[in-house]
Amino acid sequence: EDKVVQSPLSLVVHEGDTVTLNCSYEVTNFRSLLWYKQEKKAPTFLFMLTSSGIEKKSGRLSSILDKKELFSILNITATQTGDSAVYLCAVQSGGSNYKLTFGKGTLLTVNP
Amino acid sequence: DTGVSQDPRHKITKRGQNVTFRCDPISEHNRLYWYRQTLGQGPEFLTYFQNEAQLEKSRLLSDRFSAERPKGSFSTLEIQRTEQGDSAMYLCASSQGVPDTQYFGPGTRLTVL
Repeated sequence: EDKVVQSPLSLVVHEGDTVTLNCSYEVTNFRSLLWYKQEKKAPTFLFMLTSSGIEKKSGRLSSILDKKELFSILNITATQTGDSAVYLCAVQSGGSNYKLTFGKGTLLTVNP
Repeated sequence: DTGVSQDPRHKITKRGQNVTFRCDPISEHNRLYWYRQTLGQGPEFLTYFQNEAQLEKSRLLSDRFSAERPKGSFSTLEIQRTEQGDSAMYLCASSQGVPDTQYFGPGTRLTVL
C-alpha cells in the first residue's frame, strides 16, 4: 500500500522567513509526486514532479524530488501571510488507476 | 468558470437518510475521481472513472456508497442510510492525458446529525 509522510505537521513562522516542507513516500510503482495548497477549500495544484533532481519553480515556491531517497521538499521563500494554508503532498502510482495517495499535510501559519 | 464544480456545497442530514452529490468535471476531462477528507487528514481515494466506466473502488467505499458517471460527463455519489461517521468533505477531481494532473472541485461538506 502506498504511503506518504509529511513533516512537520505544523509550522509557525514570521513574514519574510523561508520554510522547507518535507514529504517522504513509499510507492510500489512510482509515477509522479504532486504538491497542493489547501486553504479551507479544495486543494489547489502547485507542482507535479516526475524526475529526480529537476527543480520546479513558481514565484517564491520551488520543489525538488529525490527518487533514490524517496522524498521531496517544498520551499517557500520570503513568506507572506497569504501563504498560510495546509500543504499536501501526494504520490501517484503506475498502472491503470491514477489515484493519488495523500499525506496528512503540513499546516503553515505565517504571522505578520 | 471552467473548473470542476460540485453541488451542493453543504449538506446537513439526519442519520439514516440518503444523500446524493453531483460533480461536473472540467469539460472533456475523461478521468473523474471521488475523494473523502476528514479533519486533519489528507484526502482519501474513494473511486475512479475513466469516461463512463468505474475502474476502481476503494475498500473504504462500503455497500452504502454508489457512484455513477452516465455518458462520461457529470458524476453522482450517493450515500444510503447515512451514519455519523460519513460526516466529511467529499471532493471530486478530474484530469486528462499524461501526465495526470488532477484538479479539484470545491467539495461538498456533509454533516450527519
